[in-house]
Amino acid sequence: EVQLVESGGGLVQPGGSLRLSCAASGFTFSDCWMHWVRQAPGKGLVWVSRIHSDGSSTAYADSVKGRFTISRDNDKNTLYLQMNSLRADDTAVYYCARGYGSGLVDYWGQGTLVTVSS
Amino acid sequence: QTVVTQEPSLTVSPGGTVTLTCASSTGAVTSGYYPNWFQHKPGQAPRALIFSTSNKHSWTPARFSGSLLGGKAALTLSGVQPEDEAEYYCLLYYGGAWVFGGGTKLTVL
Repeated sequence: EVQLVESGGGLVQPGGSLRLSCAASGFTFSDCWMHWVRQAPGKGLVWVSRIHSDGSSTAYADSVKGRFTISRDNDKNTLYLQMNSLRADDTAVYYCARGYGSGLVDYWGQGTLVTVSS
Repeated sequence: QTVVTQEPSLTVSPGGTVTLTCASSTGAVTSGYYPNWFQHKPGQAPRALIFSTSNKHSWTPARFSGSLLGGKAALTLSGVQPEDEAEYYCLLYYGGAWVFGGGTKLTVL
């Protein structure tokens, strides 16, 4: 059974940092692209970032470029999102999702809540 | 900035048929945008329904179908069930980055 479990969310002050993790199981993690997607309270889904299966290529939404870094450890079957210079508008539930190439995003985790507030 | 537009809300009667669309600010949506569709209910993880325009996942009910329609990606629900009430999102690929539509709130009434 495919499982994606996010962790690392919490309350952080504006300008602070947080690292999210997504533990994967039930599939060959190193074969898959991985994505981070977020949903602010009362808003829609927003794509945040993607990493290639071997970590060689990454992409970011303009709103997080230069502040967030996606990475992965294929030996630990874990995806990460390092979030720096956090702002109030980064407050959201962050989901990790599995992908294959350009055309497919299938399994999602349950999400972890990040709240940026003083 | 690329914008992907969906109908904000639609209402359908049980047993009816409804089509949700997904438009790109860059022009016509083609298969090269690899449209994906997701269903999202409050408090749950989003659930994938359709990938690469019209392909269903193993768990996707037969009443859901994807297509290209008039320069947009489309999701059609035929024989709508009460449990189909949810928010629906499309996702388009823009050569390295992805963009979600704003979502369509589907009410079954």
